Amino acid sequence: QKEVEQDPGPLSVPEGAIVSLNCTYSNSAFQYFMWYRQYSRKGPELLMYTYSSGNKEDGRFTAQVDKSSKYISLFIRDSQPSDSATYLCAMSYTGGSYIPTFGRGTSLIVHP
Amino acid sequence: ETGVTQSPTHLIKTRGQQVTLRCSSQSGHNTVSWYQQALGQGPQFIFQYYREEENGRGNFPPRFSGLQFPNYSSELNVNALELDDSALYLCASSPGDGLEEQYFGPGTRLTVT
Repeated sequence: QKEVEQDPGPLSVPEGAIVSLNCTYSNSAFQYFMWYRQYSRKGPELLMYTYSSGNKEDGRFTAQVDKSSKYISLFIRDSQPSDSATYLCAMSYTGGSYIPTFGRGTSLIVHP
Repeated sequence: ETGVTQSPTHLIKTRGQQVTLRCSSQSGHNTVSWYQQALGQGPQFIFQYYREEENGRGNFPPRFSGLQFPNYSSELNVNALELDDSALYLCASSPGDGLEEQYFGPGTRLTVT
């Protein structure tokens, strides 16, 4: 079993839909949780990061962490075709010189 | 754009050869990290440099080595290339010594034949 599991998709939704992207993990020592967006032929772009459990909102994006279930989510409201990309979750032990562990990414397609 | 640049964009090498990839971090960012991203996978951490010293390493053999320079540029060197080294190589810079806020470059696509 991998430390971080993420369904590769693709996930196809109509424009305007609410998108839910998820990752599960096995290591309860993870404390920092991050979401990246990666467009084709580009490097990942940091969307959000959160520390420990709880919710964090930024515009149309909401990140949720449930440490008791070892489950994190990214919600995208009012999805747009420009949101079509691969979404990677990542997590790590501390905010110092740690090694981040990435999921394999979920491919999202938002069609007009 | 993140302000992190990488060169070259694409590279084709033969098994057994050596390669040097380059990265220019954002000004003022003291930490640079290198990742390998195989097709359909998430990035795997290779190593991190903080103020020109290696400060963390992932599960990669010693033939993967790096350097960081005072002008915010860095290099990834890979010796004795293997076919499995074919991947997208990403560098990322961070303002401090943590990795929770990283800014990635566009990557170098390396193909080993």
